Amino acid sequence: DTEVTQTPKHLVMGMTNKKSLKCEQHMGHRAMYWYKQKAKKPPELMFVYSYEKLSINESVPSRFSPECPNSSLLNLHLHALQPEDSALYLCASSQGFGFGGYGYTFGSGTRLTVV
Amino acid sequence: SQQGEEDPQALSIQEGENATMNCSYKTSINNLQWYRQNSGRGLVHLILIRSNEREKHSGRLRVTLDTSKKSSSLLITASRAADTASYFCANVNSGGSNYKLTFGKGTLLTVNP
Repeated sequence: DTEVTQTPKHLVMGMTNKKSLKCEQHMGHRAMYWYKQKAKKPPELMFVYSYEKLSINESVPSRFSPECPNSSLLNLHLHALQPEDSALYLCASSQGFGFGGYGYTFGSGTRLTVV
Repeated sequence: SQQGEEDPQALSIQEGENATMNCSYKTSINNLQWYRQNSGRGLVHLILIRSNEREKHSGRLRVTLDTSKKSSSLLITASRAADTASYFCANVNSGGSNYKLTFGKGTLLTVNP
């Protein structure tokens, strides 16, 4: 299995809702990432997990809460989002963490719309 | 900022022609990577070049890296309509204790049949 699977593919949520995005990989990668991408913009790093521990939080608002239950799963819990949080949320994983030079494997993303 | 700048922002060519995209970055890097993104989908890793390498090939792709100019280029030869996508360079900085892959603004390539 050489894929990163993200669910759901599309999500529409109200500003008072609580929802979660899920990401799964079975490649044995020990680093996992959340990126946010607005239309016609590059992906922007949100969180990095290394060996199931949060390594980087790019000053993301607390309404986004990541979780890494095990080495294969990465969740992003959403609560009280704003319309400007509407974006494509991408999960990625890589074989290592650091300067070894590893390409990332990306999922196909969750298209989130906040209404 | 580590963010790279791709040039051009958009490129339209005919099938069979070569496409060249350039990327510049601001600080020292450990490696530089190129990704492709089809409309609204996930990114696909194309090629990685380390800071001590100058050129790398993969199929119809050729990547060069000039660390003195802090720039890289991606050449796609004999382009096909299926190559239509956005192409991003991304770099890993070589400073600090954290590992970050930061993306440039991207080049939108359109290959006309």
